[in-house]
Amino acid sequence: AQSVTQPDIHITVSEGASLELRCNYSYGATPYLFWYVQSPGQGLQLLLKYFSGDTLVQGIKGFEAEFKRSQSSFNLRKPSVHWSDAAEYFCAVGASGSARQLTFGSGTQLTVLP
Amino acid sequence: SAVISQKPSRDICQRGTSLTIQCQVDSQVTMMFWYRQQPGQSLTLIATANQGSEATYESGFVIDKFPISRPNLTFSTLTVSNMSPEDSSIYLCSVEGTVSYNEQFFGPGTRLTVL
Repeated sequence: AQSVTQPDIHITVSEGASLELRCNYSYGATPYLFWYVQSPGQGLQLLLKYFSGDTLVQGIKGFEAEFKRSQSSFNLRKPSVHWSDAAEYFCAVGASGSARQLTFGSGTQLTVLP
Repeated sequence: SAVISQKPSRDICQRGTSLTIQCQVDSQVTMMFWYRQQPGQSLTLIATANQGSEATYESGFVIDKFPISRPNLTFSTLTVSNMSPEDSSIYLCSVEGTVSYNEQFFGPGTRLTVL
């Protein structure tokens, strides 16, 4: 069974600083990987996804993530954080061939200081 | 991506009652999913709902507690039955992408508080 670990429960950064949120997964084959963002009182919005090919994927809102098979990681990055990026971020892994087995990490809460 | 709406957006209910949550999609989709997000927790899949067939429940979730209907390709309901305070959660529906079937798009969620 697949699993996802987000080791950082809460991260605080200053506006304009760079950001990296960590995600490690466990899955026997090539996984499908996702990052979602949840703003307060909102549902989940898909930021980006990795299925195959280029290991550096670009998403919405200036986010990118890099798939590193050797480290079983899919870390999310943003070069300059905006106050509106404050939210909860979830990494998820899906089994190859089907989306129904999405497994979510525990989430990382991002606080942005002015 | 599909536009997904849920009703109600939030509710406060009494112990022992039931609440039905509606999920409406603006396009036809084969698979819909229901998740629970307990306070401060991540998302847990409750069940997968295909149109025209019985929902498939994940371990720890049963049909008597969470009956699901899927009458057509754009609509589904989840009922939380005989509620207790432990059922206080955000309930989210999601759908598979129509371009890529390996991703899911989520509704805004229903925030349920059980007293």
